[in-house]
Amino acid sequence: KQEVTQIPAALSVPEGENLVLNCSFTDSAIYNLQWFRQDPGKGLTSLLLIQSSQREQTSGRLNASLDKSSGRSTLYIAASQPGDSATYLCAVIKYGQNFVFGPGTRLSVLP
Amino acid sequence: DAGVTQSPTHLIKTRGQQVTLRCSPISGHKSVSWYQQVLGQGPQFIFQYYEKEERGRGNFPDRFSARQFPNYSSELNVNALLLGDSALYLCASSFDRGSYEQYFGPGTRLTVT
Repeated sequence: KQEVTQIPAALSVPEGENLVLNCSFTDSAIYNLQWFRQDPGKGLTSLLLIQSSQREQTSGRLNASLDKSSGRSTLYIAASQPGDSATYLCAVIKYGQNFVFGPGTRLSVLP
Repeated sequence: DAGVTQSPTHLIKTRGQQVTLRCSPISGHKSVSWYQQVLGQGPQFIFQYYEKEERGRGNFPDRFSARQFPNYSSELNVNALLLGDSALYLCASSFDRGSYEQYFGPGTRLTVT
């Protein structure tokens, strides 16, 4: 059974810092890994999708890497801003199966 | 194009009642999945429907059921509501039942009193 964990559970940083969020999964036979952002009480916004054949994806100040062999992904946020405050979730999927989500990292960026 | 839409936005029900939640996928998407998110946790998979057939079911009791219509919209039904069913119910659509990128709706907040 696939299990996904995220470290840290919560993070508070001053504005402008670079930060790394971690995601680990137990079954390395994944097809995709997707990072999402969730604002309080809202739905999920897709940030980055990494296919199993890829090692990383970049979008603006966000960079996500994937190491399938070690069962790890990291989300790097450069020059953090107060608007980045949200919960960040990673999810993995095997072909034809459902997403398995981690519990999320709650990020607070202080002005 | 419109994103995934869900209705209603919020819902308050009493224990023992029944509820129906609705989801409309992105145009052209044929797969709809339902997730339950309890406060402070990640979403948990409930159902996936593709081409009007159930393609996956999570570890939820038979009180939970769903269906997909010819236009690919979907309904999630929950019978005999319990306090523990209070959660954010999320719908996601994707192009097919494989592992294409999933797009989530805003969710329906269900409160059971």
